[in-house]
Amino acid sequence: GAVVSQHPSWVICKSGTSVKIECRSLDFQATTMFWYRQFPKQSLMLMATSNEGSKATYEQGVEKDKFLINHASLTLSTLTVTSAHPEDSSFYICSARDMDYGYTFGSGTRLTVV
Amino acid sequence: DAKTTQPTSMDCAEGRAANLPCNHSTISGNEYVYWYRQIHSQGPQYIIHGLKNNETNEMASLIITEDRKSSTLILPHATLRDTAVYYCIVSARSGGYQKVTFGTGTKLQVIP
Repeated sequence: GAVVSQHPSWVICKSGTSVKIECRSLDFQATTMFWYRQFPKQSLMLMATSNEGSKATYEQGVEKDKFLINHASLTLSTLTVTSAHPEDSSFYICSARDMDYGYTFGSGTRLTVV
Repeated sequence: DAKTTQPTSMDCAEGRAANLPCNHSTISGNEYVYWYRQIHSQGPQYIIHGLKNNETNEMASLIITEDRKSSTLILPHATLRDTAVYYCIVSARSGGYQKVTFGTGTKLQVIP
């Protein structure tokens, strides 16, 4: 089946620094990818929709200048958390639209800001 | 807002069938029902999907009511490794992308 690789699995960064998370579709092309964040014991919350070659569409309440999304190719989307603060600590998950299975999800990235 | 509603939690005895219900009363004619599960600290894992016919694969069965307003995911012989949060979502498969929003899901606890 379709595979989405997300990297890194976990990252610890200092407050004020930026962190980049990569999401790759390994065996299919994904013109659309999605980014979610998940707090403990809560459901996934959609942050933004990433479209190859165009600007991302952000959900209401998500700061586009803080969460930079780049979808430069049909197999790679990146999420950069800029000037990270402890409240940005969360589990970030990407997914890609795959016509066989609908949506395939990455394994997630645990971000801890200290 | 999520288009589905599910019970918050369920228990199931190991070896028994787990039946997880989902309501999607506003589902459109071209929208499929997808089921995913999420084990702690992992990304959601695809289980099964269907449009209107019942479906079965190696993991589970999906029963969709005739009016398509609800469905049930059946894990025929639940094991301890099936303990997870199960999400039911609806989405069209064609006509461009459609963003997917998640409801609260059902936390299934399989009991020894």
